[in-house]
Amino acid sequence: EDQVTQSPEALRLQEGESSSLNCSYTVSGLRGLFWYRQDPGKGPEFLFTLYSAGEEKEKERLKATLTKKESFLHITAPKPEDSATYLCAMASGGSYIPTFGRGTSLIVHP
Amino acid sequence: DTAVSQTPKYLVTQMGNDKSIKCEQNLGHDTMYWYKQDSKKFLKIMFSYNNKELIINETVPNRFSPKSPDKAHLNLHINSLELGDSAVYFCASSPRADEQFFGPGTRLTVL
Repeated sequence: EDQVTQSPEALRLQEGESSSLNCSYTVSGLRGLFWYRQDPGKGPEFLFTLYSAGEEKEKERLKATLTKKESFLHITAPKPEDSATYLCAMASGGSYIPTFGRGTSLIVHP
Repeated sequence: DTAVSQTPKYLVTQMGNDKSIKCEQNLGHDTMYWYKQDSKKFLKIMFSYNNKELIINETVPNRFSPKSPDKAHLNLHINSLELGDSAVYFCASSPRADEQFFGPGTRLTVL
């Protein structure tokens, strides 16, 4: 069965303290690995899609990487406005219908 | 504004009632979805609807029925509401299969 596991469940950082969020997955035939950001009381916001091991994508202070077993979301010099829940999801087989992990709740203190 | 919108934002109702949640997207996307996010923030897909093709998630009770009057709308009707149906329901649409745009969510509370 396809599974997505995110760690840690929660992460507290000081402003400027870089760190990484982990998403490990088990799947036969990865179609895509997705990262979303969700603010409290709002719907998830798309960040990245990664398709194959070795691929990297960047957006402002965020950088997503992918290996054959896991993906990392690196946050460089975070700011308080980066505080949110970050969701990882994957799609496999013949469709892009995603299976989501439970998310990492990130709080960045000023 | 171009977006995915949902109504209502909050829905409080008694067990056994029937209710509907409406979703509209003005992004011109062909595919729309319904998701359920439980109290532990776990987001799980319920339905995917691509033009005239409905893909049903087998774990969803048949009390839940999506209805799409046109490409821009995908409504969710729920019969005989149960306590366990309490959750936040998100509608989403996508231009390509790999990127989804989510609505703001509807918080359903069943008493």
